[in-house]
Amino acid sequence: DAKTTQPTSMDCAEGRAANLPCNHSTISGNEYVYWYRQIHSQGPQYIIHGLKNNETNEMASLIITEDRKSSTLILPHATLRDTAVYYCIVRVGGTTDKLIFGTGTRLQVFP
Amino acid sequence: GAVVSQHPSWVICKSGTSVKIECRSLDFQATTMFWYRQFPKQSLMLMATSNEGSKATYEQGVEKDKFLINHASLTLSTLTVTSAHPEDSSFYICSAARSASGNNEQFFGPGTRLTVL
Repeated sequence: DAKTTQPTSMDCAEGRAANLPCNHSTISGNEYVYWYRQIHSQGPQYIIHGLKNNETNEMASLIITEDRKSSTLILPHATLRDTAVYYCIVRVGGTTDKLIFGTGTRLQVFP
Repeated sequence: GAVVSQHPSWVICKSGTSVKIECRSLDFQATTMFWYRQFPKQSLMLMATSNEGSKATYEQGVEKDKFLINHASLTLSTLTVTSAHPEDSSFYICSAARSASGNNEQFFGPGTRLTVL
């Protein structure tokens, strides 16, 4: 079973920041938080991951709460091409542990 | 870098035939590859973990004799759906773990859509 819970769907206006929450209250100390997204009929795309510090890359920012029980993926300036299903996954880093996908959040970016 | 390809991208076959799907890591070596299945409007479901040079590990409920997995090299894993039936119609996606990054990041292929008539 997936160890995360996410809202089923969210809307965001183009150009605005999209903030996607994820709860992972049972996360272990050695588990990372990973975010992937899947655009319709394509394979998932890696976005970002983190352990306990906030992370930023060219795609997004990841904010992890101090107790690590929840996190937020931020797309700073959403575009129509960001419309996708976003998956938050926890797994042990540095291994080839399998990724267990939950139901994810369907983000719809509108003009 | 970190490109994973799948072939074919889509396939239509008759019931009872077998279909082979290839997954290749194009610019890195992958000792571990994963196979997923996704039905319409559902999430990805892990089918099996494929390790180079050894037998695959199947998830509970996945028939190993029906879904044959071979991982003969560090850049190629194949999934063969044997005696396919309409209920096997699905979107099959592979991923490859790149160990060189230190985190064994998984990179996904574009998927193969299988339709069994």
